Amino acid sequence: QQQVKQSPQSLIVQKGGIPIINCAYENTAFDYFPWYQQFPGKGPALLIAIRPDVSEKKEGRFTISFNKSAKQFSLHIMDSQPGDSATYFCAASQYSGGSNYKLTFGKGTLLTVNP
Amino acid sequence: DTGVSQDPRHKITKRGQNVTFRCDPISEHNRLYWYRQTLGQGPEFLTYFQNEAQLEKSRLLSDRFSAERPKGSFSTLEIQRTEQGDSAMYLCASSSPGQTFPGELFFGEGSRLTVL
Repeated sequence: QQQVKQSPQSLIVQKGGIPIINCAYENTAFDYFPWYQQFPGKGPALLIAIRPDVSEKKEGRFTISFNKSAKQFSLHIMDSQPGDSATYFCAASQYSGGSNYKLTFGKGTLLTVNP
Repeated sequence: DTGVSQDPRHKITKRGQNVTFRCDPISEHNRLYWYRQTLGQGPEFLTYFQNEAQLEKSRLLSDRFSAERPKGSFSTLEIQRTEQGDSAMYLCASSSPGQTFPGELFFGEGSRLTVL
């Protein structure tokens, strides 16, 4: 059961383009939606996160758009650069008891930004 | 370096052998997680510790898998009688109550296991 569906699987853009990665979820218990960036040979690193009561969050060139009614959220990368080439994972955080929150990840999007 | 440290980074073993991975979390983090990542997939939750207590285990963690965090600092993940299906990247992550958002994780670089 895939709780967080991510698309596309891969994406190629030219430098300066605006790649958009989309995610959808079903579980309304999710209460925080982060995006992680992973370079080859490295672990995922937090990029940006949004709460469900906010429709948009921007940090530098990265923007999350959130549509609570549609249970969808997306990542936009403005003025993309070759250094942004990486795998991007959307995720959803859910309280799982005690003081634990569990992250469920999408399958990832391999982004290539050509010079 | 004050990030999450994992060892070894790569392990190649023959089917049926036992392997053990070690994770040293960020020093002030009391929560430690193990995730598994296979090619083309996102990380999948395996287990979670708060201090030395193992509070949650995924159904993915079969009886051949065991994780410990004896003193609430470093953790080990042991896989007994490895199978080819165990080939994956094993990621360790840690977090603290002072994180940016609930469930924010800091990941290590992973331990890649190849079972021949």
